[in-house]
Amino acid sequence: DIQMTQSPSSLYASVGDRVTITCQASQDITNHLNWYQQKQGKAPKLLIYDASSLETGVPSRFSGRRSGTDFTFTISSLQPEDFATYYCQQYDNIPLTFGRGTKVEVK
Amino acid sequence: QAQLVQSGAEVKKPGSSVKVSCKASGGTFTNYAFSWVRQAPGQGLEWLGGIIPSFGPGNYAQKFQGRVTITADESTTTVYMELRSLTSEDTAVYFCARGADSASFDALDIWGQGTMVIVSS
Repeated sequence: DIQMTQSPSSLYASVGDRVTITCQASQDITNHLNWYQQKQGKAPKLLIYDASSLETGVPSRFSGRRSGTDFTFTISSLQPEDFATYYCQQYDNIPLTFGRGTKVEVK
Repeated sequence: QAQLVQSGAEVKKPGSSVKVSCKASGGTFTNYAFSWVRQAPGQGLEWLGGIIPSFGPGNYAQKFQGRVTITADESTTTVYMELRSLTSEDTAVYFCARGADSASFDALDIWGQGTMVIVSS
């Protein structure tokens, strides 16, 4: 199985901050990487697909980038509704695998 | 718009089985890949397996092979996930989700509301 190493596991930030989360794949997955947001008690929501493509209706402050097997997810200016947990997910191989998640909390 | 509606919460005894349903609406049912993802309390997301209705049998994570069966009923546009030999470690919220692209396991863009399964004696 492809392992997705996501960091940090949690971070504290303030409204307006730039937030960056990383995921490293255990092998080459090309751009087969998605990012999700999950709020407490809710299903995950797709934000970014194919490493850097913004899902329809998702604000442009969210972005993704790939460099080899390293992937970066960025919120350019954190908004109050962005406090949540974020997950990366690879789909290059079955089984689909997720990172362990990053909880973005209020500083 | 596309929607997935799951069956209600379940409480099961250790050693028993659970079958969760996921009713799909919107879009052509047989064209999409449906996945089942679970989340134990306070934990991350874990893919159990999935099915592409037009392709036949399900695909399963090795961890659950032999213990999970995913099926699809085209007549009712419903996907099912059955998990057997339950233990307390199977206590989790189970989500169904639909793949964004036609007939491939890729980005999961539509999710059900989740079904809580509690395994307790």
